[in-house]
Amino acid sequence: GAVVSQHPSWVICKSGTSVKIECRSLDFQATTMFWYRQFPKQSLMLMATSNEGSKATYEQGVEKDKFLINHASLTLSTLTVTSAHPEDSSFYICSARDWARGMNTEAFFGQGTRLTVV
Amino acid sequence: GNSVTQMEGPVTLSEEAFLTINCTYTATGYPSLFWYVQYPGEGLQLLLKATKADDKGSNKGFEATYRKETTSFHLEKGSVQVSDSAVYFCALSAQDTGNQFYFGTGTSLTVIP
Repeated sequence: GAVVSQHPSWVICKSGTSVKIECRSLDFQATTMFWYRQFPKQSLMLMATSNEGSKATYEQGVEKDKFLINHASLTLSTLTVTSAHPEDSSFYICSARDWARGMNTEAFFGQGTRLTVV
Repeated sequence: GNSVTQMEGPVTLSEEAFLTINCTYTATGYPSLFWYVQYPGEGLQLLLKATKADDKGSNKGFEATYRKETTSFHLEKGSVQVSDSAVYFCALSAQDTGNQFYFGTGTSLTVIP
């Protein structure tokens, strides 16, 4: 299947600093990527839909100035957590779909990034 | 709107026991249905999928049948192994909502030897 690579796998940062997470589709072009947040033992919460070459679409309640998304190419989307605080500590996961496989294709997920803000 | 309701966990089974994880959905269109599995500290991996009514998805001994009449997509496996311990997510995707994925809450499965 298609491969989505997410980097880094884990990161620890100090409160007030910013952290960038990368999501790459390795063997397909992804015009759309999705960013999720997952709290311990809970399901995935869609944060935003990242669109190549245009602004991301954020879900209700997600601060777009805090979670900056850039989708500058067909294979790369980045999520930057700005001025991180301990409550931003979470597991962040990206996904993408390879539309060349058809409209019913599954989503492929990155391995996730564990962010810990201290 | 679209939503997925999944059986609450956690589920603990002995090795070789039969597994059922219930999943029902609500959809305004004709969704595709998926089961994903998440191992600790990892992202989600597709386990199986079905794209239309009466389709059966299967993989690694797991099966699920797309039942339109009962709006269900229950996951089953006849004989679980310790290596099946993970969290399982039921999900749907529908074209009328931009193919966005809707996930259930996840069901944690622990298989003991």
